[in-house]
Amino acid sequence: EVKLVESGGGLVQPGRSLKLSCAASGFSFNDYWMGWVRQAPGKGLEWIGEINQDSSTINYTPSLKDKFTISRDNAQNTLYLQMSKLGSEDTAIYYCARVGQLGWFAYWGQGTLVTVSS
Amino acid sequence: DIQMTQSPASLSASLGETVTIECRASEDIYNGLAWYQQKPGKSPQLLIYNANSLHTGVPSRFSGSGSGTQYSLKINSLQSEDVASYFCQQYYDYPYTFGAGTKLELK
Repeated sequence: EVKLVESGGGLVQPGRSLKLSCAASGFSFNDYWMGWVRQAPGKGLEWIGEINQDSSTINYTPSLKDKFTISRDNAQNTLYLQMSKLGSEDTAIYYCARVGQLGWFAYWGQGTLVTVSS
Repeated sequence: DIQMTQSPASLSASLGETVTIECRASEDIYNGLAWYQQKPGKSPQLLIYNANSLHTGVPSRFSGSGSGTQYSLKINSLQSEDVASYFCQQYYDYPYTFGAGTKLELK
């Protein structure tokens, strides 16, 4: 069974940084692209970006490219999202997901809530 | 960026009814489209990819169709467990983008 478990969310002050993790199990992690999607409270989904199997290709949505960094550790079956210069607009549930063959998200984690507030 | 316009924003339907949700892309996305279902308090779940391919384990009452810039998700014989929000996503070009969602409720 494919399982994705995000962690690292919580309350963070504006301007600070936070690193999210996503532990993967039930599949061969290093065979798949992985990605991040976020959802502000009561809002729609926003694609953050994705990373390929060996981290040689990382794609971001342009508005977040200078704030967020996606990485992975295949030895630990873990995906990461490093977030910096956080603002209230970054308050959201952050989901990690396994990418399908062409870019759809085949499996999702349960999400981790990040709240940016003083 | 490719804009995805989803309609309607909300929808009320009866059990057993057939429901259709539309998604229009701002340019041709060559069937690079997925549909997701999100139940309240849960993470999204993939229903359809490549515009018309049913994801593993998804009931056959769900179907996708379309081409070019116009796509639709159809739910036949609506069940109570289908109450959810539905989102489309294009993955033809970066950055990938989602529609704003359709909230489906029971009448």
